[in-house]
Parts: sequence; structure tokens; C-alpha cells
Amino acid sequence: RKEVEQDPGPFNVPEGATVAFNCTYSNSASQSFFWYRQDCRKEPKLLMSVYSSGNEDGRFTAQLNRASQYISLLIRDSKLSDSATYLCVVNIPGGSYIPTFGRGTSLIVHP
Amino acid sequence: SQTIHQWPATLVQPVGSPLSLECTVEGTSNPNLYWYRQAAGRGLQLLFYSVGIGQISSEVPQNLSASRPQDRQFILSSKKLLLSDSGFYLCAWSSGQGPYNEQFFGPGTRLTVL
Repeated sequence: RKEVEQDPGPFNVPEGATVAFNCTYSNSASQSFFWYRQDCRKEPKLLMSVYSSGNEDGRFTAQLNRASQYISLLIRDSKLSDSATYLCVVNIPGGSYIPTFGRGTSLIVHP
Repeated sequence: SQTIHQWPATLVQPVGSPLSLECTVEGTSNPNLYWYRQAAGRGLQLLFYSVGIGQISSEVPQNLSASRPQDRQFILSSKKLLLSDSGFYLCAWSSGQGPYNEQFFGPGTRLTVL
């Protein structure tokens, strides 16, 4: 089982739709989780950190479910500019905490 | 505020040639530094990370090496490039060594090996 798994998509949704992505992780000792956004041919940019039970920032809500070992990202009222790849990151405990990236979920928002 | 620089932005190199990519961070001290590679249509693969000057941890075996000659400078090198080394190389930094540290990425270097 991969350490961090995401549905690659693409998720193809109309403007204004609500869309949710899930990300599962295998190491139950993981303590911190993040969502990044990556536009085509650009570097990933931090979208949200998910430290405890969840986090909300405007149209974006991230939730953590430790019992089932997954985090989710909910986007409400999708905009064309939300089209991107969304990367889930889990800090895996070891000698240091190693950030482990999922392969990303592609979102396409169409008019 | 902190900024991270990478250069060059794009690079085309022949097979067997050497490589040197540089990354520098401003506005912070003693950052953790990382090198990632992203092949076309693939996820990010962690290549190296460093928690201090001269301290390099390698995540995958390859013909690449990394060095950290100064606190805020991280260099990725190869003596002889392979076709499979093509990809998008990203440098990132984070603060501290605990689990609650976000990473911030440089703009990346797009390498094509011909």
C-alpha cells in the first residue's frame, strides 16, 4: 500500500459546483497534513494546513479523520481559476519528519 | 519575508554532460532544504533533504548528488546525465524539524536531457 494515495481524477465540474477530494495515508503515527495546489508547469503552493480536526478558509474546507486515516478537501462554489492539481502531503515520522506527497488530483472547472 | 530562488529556469543538456542546479533561500536561518523531481505527469519524488550545513540525506539511489555548502544554499549535481534525469526539479524549504512545518517551493528548473 502506498503511503499517501489520491484519486488522480480528473474531476470535471461546472462553475459553482461543490467538489470534494479524499487522500488516504498508511502511517497512523502521522501528525501533520497539508493540501497544496499546483498549476500546470508551476511549483506547488500551500493551500491549507490540516493540524487537528480540520480547517476552513473561505470556499475551502479541509477535514482530518484519524480513525479512518484520510483527509479531505472540499471546494464550494467552484471557480474557473480553481482548475489545477491538488496535492495531499503527509509528514511521515522517522528520524526527521519527511513530507510525502500524493500524486495529486486533477480538477477541471468548466463554464 | 522569506523567498526561495532557483536557477536556471530551463535547461537542455546532452546525455553524459554534468549538471549543477542551485537553490538559495532568503529571510530565514537554518532551514530544512529539499530537492524533488517531478517527471511529466507524475508525482513529486523526494531526492535529498538537509537539516543543516554539510548534512545530506538521500531518499533514492541515483546518479545525482546534493551539497549544502552554506546555510541557505542547496546544490543538486550530476557528473553524467541520463535520459531518465529529465524532469521538473523543485527546491523547497521548511523551518524546524518538527512535524508541523509547511514546505515552500522555488519556481523550479525544467531539465530536458537529449
